[in-house]
Amino acid sequence: NAGVMQNPRHLVRRRGQEARLRCSPMKGHSHVYWYRQLPEEGLKFMVYLQKENIIDESGMPKERFSAEFPKEGPSILRIQQVVRGDSAAYFCASSREADGGYTFGSGTRLTVV
Amino acid sequence: KNEVEQSPQNLTAQEGEFITINCSYSVGISALHWLQQHPGGGIVSLFMLSSGKKKHGRLIATINIQEKHSSLHITASHPRDSAVYICAAANNNDMRFGAGTRLTVKP
Repeated sequence: NAGVMQNPRHLVRRRGQEARLRCSPMKGHSHVYWYRQLPEEGLKFMVYLQKENIIDESGMPKERFSAEFPKEGPSILRIQQVVRGDSAAYFCASSREADGGYTFGSGTRLTVV
Repeated sequence: KNEVEQSPQNLTAQEGEFITINCSYSVGISALHWLQQHPGGGIVSLFMLSSGKKKHGRLIATINIQEKHSSLHITASHPRDSAVYICAAANNNDMRFGAGTRLTVKP
């Protein structure tokens, strides 16, 4: 039973490009959460999704960032027109229920050059 | 003042020592999580607590709801315990993180 799978592990993008980060939750988990960890800072909540629904996106920057969790396939965090300040580790977690135990992925480290 | 405060920020111990990391929170919670972030960056969920105490191997986590305080203890610490330990206060899907405690256990 694979854990939460995130890919790619490392992603390098030039300023202005798009970054797509993928997260496949654990089998049986229908709740997905995205967090961002800026260099030398703690984790910050970005968005909470269930299948085909965004439940809470209060932590998402208003522009350039979007997230989806389609009926089939992984959850995608998309960052358009990346800037240097987007360089961070992006972690995904999943849970079976809304307030259940979380399982974290290994993260995607985005570097914008 | 942060909603979730951890102490100490950094902790260095000798192998075999008993370790305590503290977490105080000011928000209402449905659960308190302890996470471990490895030097390579991956995050592992250690405990989810809503009351009392939990034990897993050499790790023990306690929570006092009235005092809004939780502790993570490591008995017989080992160099492989070296990591950042993060406390997170969860209220349904809203999770607030502490800044983390960087633990280094020397052989």
